[in-house]
Amino acid sequence: DVKVTQSSRYLVKRTGEKVFLECVQDMDHENMFWYRQDPGLGLRLIYFSYDVKMKEKGDIPEGYSVSREKKERFSLILESASTNQTSMYLCATQVSGSTQYFGPGTRLLVL
Amino acid sequence: KNEVEQSPQNLTAQEGEFITINCSYSVGISALHWLQQHPGGGIVSLFMLSSGKKKHGRLIATINIQEKHSSLHITASHPRDSAVYICAVRSNNNYQLIWGAGTKLIIKP
Repeated sequence: DVKVTQSSRYLVKRTGEKVFLECVQDMDHENMFWYRQDPGLGLRLIYFSYDVKMKEKGDIPEGYSVSREKKERFSLILESASTNQTSMYLCATQVSGSTQYFGPGTRLLVL
Repeated sequence: KNEVEQSPQNLTAQEGEFITINCSYSVGISALHWLQQHPGGGIVSLFMLSSGKKKHGRLIATINIQEKHSSLHITASHPRDSAVYICAVRSNNNYQLIWGAGTKLIIKP
């Protein structure tokens, strides 16, 4: 079974803090994705990566950055958290041409 | 206009009813996904389709490439089927998925 883990299920941060969300997969998948999910908006792609050190902007990259130093790990960074970044963050992995596998999600609250 | 439209947005039905959720899309795709999300956030991939029909237990997914339309059917629905069902299409660039807004399904006992 594919296993995708995220570093935290729930996170509370203050405005202006730097926030790291980590995603780790154990199946040697090339592609990894970070989404945020908000009520009524569905899932929106923030960034994706198709190889180590490679990254591409998704639909809503503003206010976020990512890091992929190792194939199994894809980090999402909020350089200076803002209240409008309160959301559910979902990581996914994929072998090209196949379905995506999701982590359990991280609920982030920015106060 | 959204590139992926789902209908209905919300659906409440009685246990045992046959359920249909629809997905229409306007872009060229290489595959379509149906996913299920339960309260609490966990997402499970149900199907990936590029043509025809797939069946898994009480779930059936169909796709009509010419009409750019897919349906997810649930037979003999049960309260544990209550969840948000999401349609997502993979555009022809093969890396990005375009998501529908989801259909919230509630099955009452």
